[in-house]
Amino acid sequence: AQSVTQLGSHVSVSEGALVLLRCNYSSSVPPYLFWYVQYPNQGLQLLLKYTSAATLVKGINGFEAEFKKSETSFHLTKPSAHMSDAAEYFCAVSLNFGNEKLTFGTGTRLTIIP
Amino acid sequence: ETGVTQSPTHLIKTRGQQVTLRCSSQSGHNTVSWYQQALGQGPQFIFQYYREEENGRGNFPPRFSGLQFPNYSSELNVNALELDDSALYLCASMLQGTYNEQFFGPGTRLTVL
Repeated sequence: AQSVTQLGSHVSVSEGALVLLRCNYSSSVPPYLFWYVQYPNQGLQLLLKYTSAATLVKGINGFEAEFKKSETSFHLTKPSAHMSDAAEYFCAVSLNFGNEKLTFGTGTRLTIIP
Repeated sequence: ETGVTQSPTHLIKTRGQQVTLRCSSQSGHNTVSWYQQALGQGPQFIFQYYREEENGRGNFPPRFSGLQFPNYSSELNVNALELDDSALYLCASMLQGTYNEQFFGPGTRLTVL
């Protein structure tokens, strides 16, 4: 069985500051890992995915995440926060190559302070 | 815009009733998954349909059932509604067998009173 844990249900950063959202995973086999973003009253949008290629994954909107097997982590970062980054962020894991049957974390709400 | 639509947007039902939620996938996508997202939680996998057959199920009772149609539409049916069924229901479609992502719809907000 696989699972993900997102540390911090709420994170606030100032506009222009570094964004760091934490995700740790548990999996009996090499996992496929994802970050999704959810804006109010919308569905989920894929930010980036790790599929055992490069450990540093670049996504949309300037986000990136680094897969660290030794730490079982897949933290999401962005060098400079923008007001439009305010949203809910979900880390997810799958055992399937086609990212189906996802197991999500409980989410982190990101607030940007002007 | 993901090309995945869901209807209705909002729905209010009473305990014990039955409900049908609908999803229209991207054209050509042969796989649809349904997720339940309770307030303040991450989405939970309900089940997946591939070429009109159930292809995996999460920890949900049999009163949650689904259908997938050849025209890329699908349904989630819930019988004997309970208060805890109140949630946002998301569908996601993809073309299985390709290295591609799932595309999520905006969801249906179900409230059970």
